[in-house]
Amino acid sequence: GNSVTQMEGPVTLSEEAFLTINCTYTATGYPSLFWYVQYPGEGLQLLLKATKADDKGSNKGFEATYRKETTSFHLEKGSVQVSDSAVYFCALKALSGGYNKLIFGAGTRLAVHP
Amino acid sequence: DADVTQTPRNRITKTGKRIMLECSQTKGHDRMYWYRQDPGLGLQLIYYSFDVKDINKGEISDGYSVSRQAQAKFSLSLESAIPNQTALYFCATSEGRTGTSGGNTGELFFGEGSRLTVL
Repeated sequence: GNSVTQMEGPVTLSEEAFLTINCTYTATGYPSLFWYVQYPGEGLQLLLKATKADDKGSNKGFEATYRKETTSFHLEKGSVQVSDSAVYFCALKALSGGYNKLIFGAGTRLAVHP
Repeated sequence: DADVTQTPRNRITKTGKRIMLECSQTKGHDRMYWYRQDPGLGLQLIYYSFDVKDINKGEISDGYSVSRQAQAKFSLSLESAIPNQTALYFCATSEGRTGTSGGNTGELFFGEGSRLTVL
């Protein structure tokens, strides 16, 4: 079946550190892949996406590359800020039950300290 | 004002009580969803609706029911709340042509969440 696995958190970093949050997936076919971010007290919002192999999604300094050979979509940022503290969800869109369904990972909490 | 609005934002209730969570949207989207978020489990889909006449069960629909009163409104009900329904509930919307199974971008637009505690 379709599933998403993320690295467990929390991830704690100092400001300006390099960030990687790992995400791997299992799916039939070639799903679209997403990263959503949830800031404290808010709903999830789309951070970036990629729709085919080797695509790189980017937004707000974050990047993720769709790697079909390793079935991965790791999130990276070169220099994190305190304002990046949030929970990050990896997700895939795949056909399930007759419609394109979003399947979320468990989420990874990031805490950035000054 | 938020595009997707949930009420109430917080609710504490007792076992056996009936609870309704309401969601309204101004995005003009056909598709609406209810998700439940539990720590360490991510988001689980409870119900989804592609238009007013189309309502479908998600992964964890037992103990829940929904009503799509209008294109802009989608309510979630717990007929008899139990403690393991304590969670954060999110409403979401997405684009999509009515009656089709594909063609949308996959982007969901979420409300700010309703935190429900069942004692």
